[in-house]
Amino acid sequence: GAVVSQHPSRVICKSGTSVKIECRSLDFQATTMFWYRQFPKQSLMLMATSNEGSKATYEQGVEKDKFLINHASLTLSTLTVTSAHPEDSSFYICSARDSSTPEQYFGPGTRLTVT
Amino acid sequence: QKEVEQDPGPLSVPEGAIVSLNCTYSNSAFQYFMWYRQYSRKGPELLMYTYSSGNKEDGRFTAQVDKSSKYISLFIRDSQPSDSATYLCAMSGGGRRALTFGSGTRLQVQP
Repeated sequence: GAVVSQHPSRVICKSGTSVKIECRSLDFQATTMFWYRQFPKQSLMLMATSNEGSKATYEQGVEKDKFLINHASLTLSTLTVTSAHPEDSSFYICSARDSSTPEQYFGPGTRLTVT
Repeated sequence: QKEVEQDPGPLSVPEGAIVSLNCTYSNSAFQYFMWYRQYSRKGPELLMYTYSSGNKEDGRFTAQVDKSSKYISLFIRDSQPSDSATYLCAMSGGGRRALTFGSGTRLQVQP
């Protein structure tokens, strides 16, 4: 299957700072990338969908000014958590797909802890 | 009511057993069906992808889709302790690019 990487795998930051998470498709062109959030023992919650070169589409209840998404190339999308607070601590996972198939391939996830 | 319903488990089976995991859904527009396996603190791994109704087999895994009943299944033969994980069904279609996930079933295979 296709490979998606995510960096960093784990990050600890102080309240009020911003954190950037990178998601890369390593062996295919990701026309669409998705960002999810997952709390312990819960399923994935879709935060936003982004297409290369376009503005992201955010799900209801997700603050676009707090979770900045950039999908500047066919292999890279970034999620920036701005002015992070302890309640933003979570497991963030990206996925990617190309335009020809509906399968989504997930990155390994980033565990964010805000102190 | 959720669009996709999945029993959260946990489901505990002895090693070597046949495991049956299931999801039901309500949106008749769904036509792409996937099963993911997620180990603790890891991203989901795509196991099986099926388009529309029918069966698909890959090694010890068999995926079944019955669109008339809006019911999908994943069977695992000769289950191993390494199969212990959370299994998520996911589906899309009807112009929606994002996947709609079930809540996941936690499987424990006892050695």
